[in-house]
Amino acid sequence: SQQGEEDPQALSIQEGENATMNCSYKTSINNLQWYRQNSGRGLVHLILIRSNEREKHSGRLRVTLDTSKKSSSLLITASRAADTASYFCATGGGGFKTIFGAGTRLFVKA
Amino acid sequence: GAVVSQHPSRVICKSGTSVKIECRSLDFQATTMFWYRQFPKQSLMLMATSNEGSKATYEQGVEKDKFLINHASLTLSTLTVTSAHPEDSSFYICSARDRAGGGYEQYFGPGTRLTVT
Repeated sequence: SQQGEEDPQALSIQEGENATMNCSYKTSINNLQWYRQNSGRGLVHLILIRSNEREKHSGRLRVTLDTSKKSSSLLITASRAADTASYFCATGGGGFKTIFGAGTRLFVKA
Repeated sequence: GAVVSQHPSRVICKSGTSVKIECRSLDFQATTMFWYRQFPKQSLMLMATSNEGSKATYEQGVEKDKFLINHASLTLSTLTVTSAHPEDSSFYICSARDRAGGGYEQYFGPGTRLTVT
């Protein structure tokens, strides 16, 4: 069964604006990952944050993790039209299974 | 970064036939591979976890006799959809966990789009 719930389900912004997506999960985790998927394509791994980390940066991406609230956020700064995609959080826990959230569809208007 | 390939990328088959999808880790050894299914505009649903040399572990609700998984080597896992029906039409994605290092990160294949007519 799916572990994570993401909001918003869909997000439409203008190029240059920041996009924030949130993810909540239910059980204990070892790590949380964010992935990107262009329509009908495979997944691209964006960033992994371990359960003992609170924040991580990679280029224009900033991920936070709050294990007390069982939630994470992905911030994309200065968004570009090419950022248009679906973004999924995925949690890794016992048994090393990775379970995906429902995803956020981001549309960046040029 | 590590590369995982899938073959074929697209397949169309007739109802009642079987289809085999291959997942290969190209530049690393994968002790564990995972198979996911994704319906349009939905998330990835884990179907099964495949460990090299042992039987796959299926998620609840996934028929193991319908979705046969074989993980014969550290670089190859196959998913066979047996007696496919139109409702099996979906995007199937595999991923592999690198044996080396911490082993947390998974590398995903590009996916296989199955259409059953």
